[in-house]
This record gives sequence, C-alpha cells and structure tokens, in this order.
Amino acid sequence: DGGITQSPKYLFRKEGQNVTLSCEQNLNHDAMYWYRQDPGQGLRLIYYSQIVNDFQKGDIAEGYSVSREKKESFPLTVTSAQKNPTAFYLCASSITGGRYEQYFGPGTRLTVT
Amino acid sequence: SQQGEEDPQALSIQEGENATMNCSYKTSINNLQWYRQNSGRGLVHLILIRSNEREKHSGRLRVTLDTSKKSSSLLITASRAADTASYFCATDGTTDSWGKLQFGAGTQVVVTP
Repeated sequence: DGGITQSPKYLFRKEGQNVTLSCEQNLNHDAMYWYRQDPGQGLRLIYYSQIVNDFQKGDIAEGYSVSREKKESFPLTVTSAQKNPTAFYLCASSITGGRYEQYFGPGTRLTVT
Repeated sequence: SQQGEEDPQALSIQEGENATMNCSYKTSINNLQWYRQNSGRGLVHLILIRSNEREKHSGRLRVTLDTSKKSSSLLITASRAADTASYFCATDGTTDSWGKLQFGAGTQVVVTP
C-alpha cells in the first residue's frame, strides 16, 4: 500500500523535553510538509521540504526543527523552546510544489504536561 | 497566516439534504483545493479547481470558483451520515512561486440519519 505513515499516534511528554515525530512516505514524492492543527482551527505550516537535503521554514517554525536526509523521511523535532507544543501534528507529501494535491498521514497527537 | 475563510463554521443537516459551504480568500490564486477531515484523522483531498475554471464536479461534489469575488463554494448533494466531517479549502497564491498551501479554519458538517 502506498501512503504516508506517522508514528506514534499519541505521544505524551514532560515539559522541557525534546520529542521527535516520525513521518515516512512511499509515494516517491519530492515534497514533504509538517503542519500543526489546534482545536477548531485550520492547518498552519511549520516546515516544508522541496527536495532531499533541503527544507524551508513555514509560518510557525520557531521551536521546531526538521531534517530531510532521505526522500522517504521527514522527521519533526519539537524542542523545549516551543512555548505551546500540545497540538495535533500532520505530515503531508506531494509530487512537487503546493500546486498539486497533498497526501496526508493520520497525524500524531502530542500532549506536553 | 490563513488566507481562506470558510463559512459557515458549522452546518447540521439531515441525510439526503444538500450541504453548501463557502470559502473566501484574500489574494490572487493559481488554484483552490478542498479537503475533508474526519475527526482525529488526516486530511483527504477532494477536488482541485484551477483559477481559469469556474466549476468542477466529482461524484456528489460540485465546486465553483469566482475569482472576481475571490470565493469558492463546495456543494455536497444527497448527503450521507458518512459525509460528517470538517471541510477545508486551501489556496495556492500567485505571490508564492513554489505554491505553498494556505488552509482555512474549516466548516464542520454533521449529517444526521
């Protein structure tokens, strides 16, 4: 089956700890994205990557970091510098830029206490 | 920043009725996409309409685009309980050469049997 996987589905962390969210795709897509969704709101772009070994900040990159060492993988690290990390995190991919449809993973719900 | 604004925020209808939701945006676009999100899940792409198109159909979905009014509508005909979800519009602005998507806050649709 082709698609995007995110793990884990639920993640709990103590304040002050860094945490890494996994995102893997087997769609052979060049572009990958990380979004944050808060209750009752739309998606806000954290980081995106157009190609391997390259990534760009989105609208709310502060307190987050990413890497893109492989085409299939785009992990997101939520650092202790992120002031309000509790949210639903969605990873997506597309053939190339945003003018094409994006395929989304099932999401990771992160709770930081 | 969120470019798209959906209206209404929430919509409750009975099975068999039609559901209409609207999306307004602020800047010129290359295309506009609609996505569906079931509760606690990732987004699923429904339809993409390009700026030079005025109407598009896909099954029970009908999307219109009025670039002069910077607005789009999504019509779901003969709704089913399975259509219960949040619906988001996403725009790809012409000012961004790579085409990142900007998502609205969504319309929550509840279809009761």
